[in-house]
Amino acid sequence: DQQVKQNSPSLSVQEGRISILNCDYTNSMFDYFLWYKKYPAEGPTFLISISSIKDKNEDGRFTVFLNKSAKHLSLHIVPSQPGDSAVYFCAASDSNYQLIWGAGTKLIIKP
Amino acid sequence: DSGVTQTPKHLITATGQRVTLRCSPRSGDLSVYWYQQSLDQGLQFLIQYYNGEERAKGNILERFSAQQFPDLHSELNLSSLELGDSALYFCASSAPPNTGELFFGEGSRLTVL
Repeated sequence: DQQVKQNSPSLSVQEGRISILNCDYTNSMFDYFLWYKKYPAEGPTFLISISSIKDKNEDGRFTVFLNKSAKHLSLHIVPSQPGDSAVYFCAASDSNYQLIWGAGTKLIIKP
Repeated sequence: DSGVTQTPKHLITATGQRVTLRCSPRSGDLSVYWYQQSLDQGLQFLIQYYNGEERAKGNILERFSAQQFPDLHSELNLSSLELGDSALYFCASSAPPNTGELFFGEGSRLTVL
C-alpha cells in the first residue's frame, strides 16, 4: 500500500522554464511534507518542507504547494537550472515523525 | 557535507557472507535511521534508533540487524547475504524536535556476487 505516490518516474524540462513535480498521498493524518533532492552516488538532501496547516511555502526558486482536499502536493522550481537535474523524493511525516517516501521523480533539465 | 559519516563506501562480497556497515551521526543527533535503495527503486526504511533504543522498524529482513552504541554511532549487520541484497544503504540522523528533516550520509554501496 503506497501511501505516498510520485506517479511520474521522470520529467524533462527546458532550462529557464518551470519544473513542476507532483506527489499524491492517501493518509489524511500526515502533518508534515518534505521534498528531498538526490544526486547520483550521494545521499538525499533536504530541500523544502510544508506543514499541513499551510498551503504554500517558498524558498528562493523553490515553492511547495499543498492541497489537502485533493491530498496532493507539488514542488515548483523556477527558473530551472542545469544543477537542478536530480531525483526528487516527496516524503510525508506522521504524528510519530516517521517518514513515508515516494518512489522519486528524475528531473532532467535540458540546456 | 551533511556531517553523517558512513563506512565503507563500497563493499563487494559473496552470497552467504556477513557484512557490517557503520554510521556516525551528526554531532548531537540522537536519532539514526537506516535506509536501503535498490537499483532504480525508492528509499526503503529499514530501522530507526533513538539514543540507543530501537524506535521504529520498517521493511527490515530478519537476516538484518542493527544497533546504536552509547557513543551514538550505529551499525547495520547484514548476514546470509543474497544477490538481491545488493543496494545502496544510507544512514541518516536527526535531532529533536524531529519534523522529518533528516541528514543523510553518502551511503555504502554493497555488491553481492
